[in-house]
Amino acid sequence: DIQMTQSPSTLSASVGDRVTITCRASQSISVWLAWYQQKPGKAPNLLISKASALESGVPSRFSGRGSGTEFTLTISSLQPDDFATYYCQQYDDRPLTFGGGTKVEIK
Amino acid sequence: DVQLVESGGGLVQPGGSLRLSCAASGFTVISNFMSWVRQSPGKGLEWVSVVYSGGKTYYADSVKGRFTISRDTSKNALYLQMDGLTAEDTAIYYCATDVRNLMFQHWGQGTLVTVSS
Repeated sequence: DIQMTQSPSTLSASVGDRVTITCRASQSISVWLAWYQQKPGKAPNLLISKASALESGVPSRFSGRGSGTEFTLTISSLQPDDFATYYCQQYDDRPLTFGGGTKVEIK
Repeated sequence: DVQLVESGGGLVQPGGSLRLSCAASGFTVISNFMSWVRQSPGKGLEWVSVVYSGGKTYYADSVKGRFTISRDTSKNALYLQMDGLTAEDTAIYYCATDVRNLMFQHWGQGTLVTVSS
């Protein structure tokens, strides 16, 4: 199974900050990586697919980079609506696996 | 608009069974990858099972042999038959789908399954 490791697990930041979340795969997954945002009590929301393709309707302050085993999600200027938990997911191979999540908290 | 509505969750005793349903609208279940993803209380996300548009099914090792995914094209619905439930199966179960690949563009609201005596 492909293990997905996210860091940090918790991130404290202020509105306007630039934040970056890292996701590492235990083996190469090419660009088959998705990023999700989840708010308490809600289903996850797909932000980015194929490592860097922004989904329709997702603000341009979100961006994704990477290939192979190392990937990043960056929020260029953190907004109040962005405080949430973020997950990466690989879809290169089954079983599909998620990272452990990164909770972005208000500093 | 795509909509997914799960139902069928509840409290069940260890060793018991439950059948989850996911009613789909705005697309046809046969055209998409259709998955179940679960989330234990306060924990992360775990993929459970998928049925491909062609009908092939796959499962996480943790549920293989106990859970069965299926779909009904006449009802445009997805199902998850869960047998031999244990406390480790306690979670919110989401129905999720994407037409492009094995990721999850659309999600239902989730249905809570609690396994406890």
